[in-house]
Amino acid sequence: QQKVQQSPESLTVSEGAMASLNCTFSDGTSNNFRWYRQHSAKGLEVLVSIFSDGEKEEGRFTAHLNRANLHVSLHIREPQPSDSAVYLCAVSITMNYGSSGNKLIFGIGTLLSVKP
Amino acid sequence: EAGVTQSPRYAVLQEGQAVSFWCDPISGHDTLYWYQQPRDQGPQLLVYFRDEAVIDNSQLPSDRFSAVRPKGTNSTLKIQSAKQGDTATYLCASSLGGQGANTLYFGAGTRLSVL
Repeated sequence: QQKVQQSPESLTVSEGAMASLNCTFSDGTSNNFRWYRQHSAKGLEVLVSIFSDGEKEEGRFTAHLNRANLHVSLHIREPQPSDSAVYLCAVSITMNYGSSGNKLIFGIGTLLSVKP
Repeated sequence: EAGVTQSPRYAVLQEGQAVSFWCDPISGHDTLYWYQQPRDQGPQLLVYFRDEAVIDNSQLPSDRFSAVRPKGTNSTLKIQSAKQGDTATYLCASSLGGQGANTLYFGAGTRLSVL
């Protein structure tokens, strides 16, 4: 069973400083990784999807994937107070039956606070 | 384009009461998911549908939870005889195609408190 762990549990950064969040997973056969953001009382917003080792940038958000090290990270450039939220790492696993049998496993999240 | 719509936004129940949650996915999305997110935890899949068919409900407590998507569009998740342990946010999501390569789009959720 795929296990997804995130660190740190919480992170406080100053506005404009780089924020870095980490996610480790237990099954290296996964090939779909996503970072979501969850503002209080709002739904999840997808930030970056990454499917191969290396780097993927979406605006101020950059994901780095290293499947050999079972690690995917998210870096937020020039964070703003409005980026304060819970950031969730999600890893897709393939179940036993065909293309409809994939499942997202989420970590418990990192609470990011950005101070003005 | 309208996103995923859920109602109600909040529900407060006594143990033993029943409740239903409703979800309207993004138009044209064939796959619909219900996730449960207890406080300070990540979302956990309960059930998902491709059109009107249940693809996976292995994590749905079948004695008290049920979910339907009769016309392959809107969906209802029902809890019979709620317990305090059901306190969580219930998230609905939709996608075009399966979860593997396709992005899930989430609604704002229904926050349930069982007293």
